[in-house]
Amino acid sequence: GNSVTQMEGPVTLSEEAFLTINCTYTATGYPSLFWYVQYPGEGLQLLLKATKADDKGSNKGFEATYRKETTSFHLEKGSVQVSDSAVYFCALGRGKLIFGQGTELSVKP
Amino acid sequence: EAGVTQFPSHSVIEKGQTVTLRCDPISGHDNLYWYRRVMGKEIKFLLHFVKESKQDESGMPNNRFLAERTGGTYSTLKVQPAELEDSGVYFCASSQVRGDEQYFGPGTRLTVT
Repeated sequence: GNSVTQMEGPVTLSEEAFLTINCTYTATGYPSLFWYVQYPGEGLQLLLKATKADDKGSNKGFEATYRKETTSFHLEKGSVQVSDSAVYFCALGRGKLIFGQGTELSVKP
Repeated sequence: EAGVTQFPSHSVIEKGQTVTLRCDPISGHDNLYWYRRVMGKEIKFLLHFVKESKQDESGMPNNRFLAERTGGTYSTLKVQPAELEDSGVYFCASSQVRGDEQYFGPGTRLTVT
């Protein structure tokens, strides 16, 4: 069946550091891929998405590219801010979503 | 436009008791999903409604869980009787079209003692 494997956290970075959170998947067919973010005390928000191979999703300085050959959808940001501290979830699906276990990111000033 | 709302935000009950969680999706969204995150693990799908019909309930853990969506509007998820392993955060999400972006509610944190 479909599955998502995400880099384990917690991840602690200094402000302005480069961020990569790895996400790999196993899927049949051609699902869409998503990154969701949960800020402290809030619900899940869609951060970015990609619907087909080689698509790049981007939002708020974050990017991820749908790589079919490596079955990956790694999240990157060139310069993180304290306000990026949150839990990040990689997910796949069309309708029913399959999530990774989440990666907690803490950014220190 | 109001987002997805869930009630209560937090519930603490004893093992063996009954709890009912409520979700109000975004108006006009026919698709409603329930998910659960237990003990910091991955968020797992529970079930999917299209209007008032259950489209997929493959993620429901057992028959202690009952979900309804009367009139295709709000949905309830009842746990009866609750067990310790039911503790976690229950999320509701809605979308206008299946496969579209899902909008999530803030979640209900359920603690069974």
